[in-house]
Amino acid sequence: NAGVTQTPKFQVLKTGQSMTLQCAQDMNHEYMSWYRQDPGMGLRLIHYSVGAGITDQGEVPNGYNVSRSTTEDFPLRLLSAAPSQTSVYFCASSYRPPYGYTFGSGTRLTVV
Amino acid sequence: AQRVTQPEKLLSVFKGAPVELKCNYSYSGSPELFWYVQYSRQRLQLLLRHISRESIKGFTADLNKGETSFHLKKPFAQEEDSAMYYCARGVYAGGTSYGKLTFGQGTILTVHP
Repeated sequence: NAGVTQTPKFQVLKTGQSMTLQCAQDMNHEYMSWYRQDPGMGLRLIHYSVGAGITDQGEVPNGYNVSRSTTEDFPLRLLSAAPSQTSVYFCASSYRPPYGYTFGSGTRLTVV
Repeated sequence: AQRVTQPEKLLSVFKGAPVELKCNYSYSGSPELFWYVQYSRQRLQLLLRHISRESIKGFTADLNKGETSFHLKKPFAQEEDSAMYYCARGVYAGGTSYGKLTFGQGTILTVHP
């Protein structure tokens, strides 16, 4: 039981490049989310999903796309990286919201 | 907007002293409230959830609907408690929780020996 697995752990991108942050969970959780963590701002929700095929925008969705083709995977795509997207990205999953979320170990992204 | 406020960015105490990390939330409905802890450069870990009324690592948190607060308390702080603590609440739309969380800005707790 690996929990929530995020890859890569570190990434440096040039402005304008695209990439996909991977997130996978093996707990059969329906709810999955992506957050970004920035100093002094806590964690902010980018996109979330309540099940396979169902996604919606969070607080800061601009510049990011998601899809949920399977229960296990919830990749986050950066379309055209900008320095403002330099952040630590966390993926999380939950069986049911009141029971809380399990977080991945994060991806530290730097856009130069 | 459904907000979570943690008024203290930094909190320092000495080992053995009581500690209280404050959290206030907006919205008067039935909230889902959590405390998460993040040790240095590690993933967030669920510490407490209000539905369980449990005590984890000596921490407790009581939901006060009148004051819309969910403060985290520990009677005797330990050095290993030093970490970032986040208060979070479930986000509702039309009375339904969609599994989204709103986080406070976090409080960095430092416990000195």
